[in-house]
Amino acid sequence: KNEVEQSPQNLTAQEGEFITINCSYSVGISALHWLQQHPGGGIVSLFMLSSGKKKHGRLIATINIQEKHSSLHITASHPRDSAVYICAVITNFGNEKLTFGTGTRLTIIP
Amino acid sequence: ETGVTQSPTHLIKTRGQQVTLRCSSQSGHNTVSWYQQALGQGPQFIFQYYREEENGRGNFPPRFSGLQFPNYSSELNVNALELDDSALYLCASSLSGSPPYEQYFGPGTRLTVT
Repeated sequence: KNEVEQSPQNLTAQEGEFITINCSYSVGISALHWLQQHPGGGIVSLFMLSSGKKKHGRLIATINIQEKHSSLHITASHPRDSAVYICAVITNFGNEKLTFGTGTRLTIIP
Repeated sequence: ETGVTQSPTHLIKTRGQQVTLRCSSQSGHNTVSWYQQALGQGPQFIFQYYREEENGRGNFPPRFSGLQFPNYSSELNVNALELDDSALYLCASSLSGSPPYEQYFGPGTRLTVT
C-alpha cells in the first residue's frame, strides 16, 4: 500500500463544476504539497500546508492532520485547469524529501 | 528572481552509456532534490543535496550519483544506463530547515534510453 493515496485517479467534469480531489496518507508528516503537472512534464507547486486551509484564486486546499487527509478544491472549473494534480508529503523533518501520490488526471470539458 | 532551470530538455542515449543532467537552483536556495518520474507514475525521490553534501537518498542503485556545487547548482549522473532509466528527471530547489520550505520544480529532462 502506498504511503500517499489519491482519489479519484481520473476525473472528467463539465466547465463550471466544483471539483474535489482527495489525498490520504499513512505516515507522520511535517507538510503537504499540492502540485499541478501539465502534459510535457513541468510541475508547479500550488500549495504547501501543514494545517488548516489555504486559498489562491479558485483553488482551495484543506488539511486535517488528525485524520491524515487533505483535499484540493477547484471552484468554477475551466478547461485550462485540465492537468494532473499530485499530492506529495514531507515525511522526514530535516531531510525534506517528498513522497508523492500517483496523481489525479483532471479533464474539464467546455 | 530566476526560477529552477534544467538542461538538457530532452536526451536520447543508448543502453550502457552514461548521462549527466544539470539543474540550476532558484536564487538563494541551498537544497536541491532530484526525482525520477516514469511514464504514468508519480515522481520517486532519488537523492537530495544540501550545501554540497548528500542529505538523504531514495531506493536507487549507486550508478545514480550526484554533485552540488558551491553556487548550489547540481548534477545527476547515471552510469551504465538501462532501458528502465527512461523517464522524466525533475529537480527541485528549496531552502532547508525549520519550518519545512516549499520546493520549486524545474521543467524536467526527458531521458530516453534505447
